[in-house]
Amino acid sequence: GAVVSQHPSWVICKSGTSVKIECRSLDFQATTMFWYRQFPKQSLMLMATSNEGSKATYEQGVEKDKFLINHASLTLSTLTVTSAHPEDSSFYICSALKPSSYEQYFGPGTRLTVT
Amino acid sequence: SQKIEQNSEALNIQEGKTATLTCNYTNYSPAYLQWYRQDPGRGPVFLLLIRENEKEKRKERLKVTFDTTLKQSLFHITASQPADSATYLCALDNTGNQFYFGTGTSLTVIP
Repeated sequence: GAVVSQHPSWVICKSGTSVKIECRSLDFQATTMFWYRQFPKQSLMLMATSNEGSKATYEQGVEKDKFLINHASLTLSTLTVTSAHPEDSSFYICSALKPSSYEQYFGPGTRLTVT
Repeated sequence: SQKIEQNSEALNIQEGKTATLTCNYTNYSPAYLQWYRQDPGRGPVFLLLIRENEKEKRKERLKVTFDTTLKQSLFHITASQPADSATYLCALDNTGNQFYFGTGTSLTVIP
């Protein structure tokens, strides 16, 4: 299957700082990428849809000023959690949509812990 | 309100039997429905996609059905193996290419 990488795989940061997570599609160009959040023993919650060259579309209840998404190229999308707080601690997963197939390929996830 | 519910949180079956997982949705009109496998601490892995005009799709030991009248998809794993133990998630699209995930079913195949 297609490969999507995520970096870092885990990060611990202090409350009030910002954290950037990178998502790369390694073997196909992805016009559309998605960012999800997952709490323990819960399903994935869609946060936003990232479209290359345009502004991200955020789901209801997701603060766009807190979760900054940039999709500057067809292989890279970034999520920056600004002024992180302990309640932002979670597992963040990105996915890349394979063109013309509607199949999503997921990264391995990033475990964020805010102390 | 919109919901995507999977039959049970956990399902235990004996090795060799067929596992059947269900995905029911309300207030969606998906053109596609997908099934994913997720192992602990990892991102989901795509398994199968079925379109609204398809009744059934197969891939090796996996079979998916899609009933848009019942608003339900069934996911079958035949000749189950302990290595099939994982959480299985259904996901469906909404207008605009967003995908929403079900609550997930944790499957344990007992040797």
